[in-house]
Amino acid sequence: GENVEQHPSTLSVQEGDSAVIKCTYSDSASNYFPWYKQELGKGPQLIIDIRSNVGEKKDQRIAVTLNKTAKHFSLHITETQPEDSAVYFCAARVPVDSSYKLIFGSGTRLLVRP
Amino acid sequence: SAVISQKPSRDICQRGTSLTIQCQVDSQVTMMFWYRQQPGQSLTLIATANQGSEATYESGFVIDKFPISRPNLTFSTLTVSNMSPEDSSIYLCSVGSTGNQPQHFGDGTRLSIL
Repeated sequence: GENVEQHPSTLSVQEGDSAVIKCTYSDSASNYFPWYKQELGKGPQLIIDIRSNVGEKKDQRIAVTLNKTAKHFSLHITETQPEDSAVYFCAARVPVDSSYKLIFGSGTRLLVRP
Repeated sequence: SAVISQKPSRDICQRGTSLTIQCQVDSQVTMMFWYRQQPGQSLTLIATANQGSEATYESGFVIDKFPISRPNLTFSTLTVSNMSPEDSSIYLCSVGSTGNQPQHFGDGTRLSIL
């Protein structure tokens, strides 16, 4: 069935270091992979996304890579800052009839130590 | 991106009662989704509500427990019926469109049942 696995569940890094979060999806029909950042008391905020016809996308300190063959995609945050501390969710979009739905990973709690 | 407003932002309710959560968007959107996020957990899709059609519910969620309305392209409601403590959760409204548009979330309704 549809499933997205996300690792690690928690990640603690020193300010300035890099952080990498990895996800694996099961449905080969998935064609779009967003990443969301959720801060305490807020809803998930889209931070970057990648489509299935692209292997890598970068936006300032954030990058996402996609390996369709292996069904893996990863989030890379460089030069981490304390304000990057939050819960991060990966997701895979699967088509459903004329619509779609997002399948979410279990989340990664990132702590950036000053 | 669309601005999504949810009401109420939080509530404490007695078991056996029902609560209706409202989701208002500042622009017309094709698709609206309702999610549940239990404490410390990931997002689980309850149903998809597209204007002009009946809501489509995910496995484990039924219309009698979570009736949804979608009267127009900017508004939807989710009712949590006959609540029990197990319904204590964050309920999130999300909007999207067909094609290549990303999906965005409101800040959620934090619901506690005593």
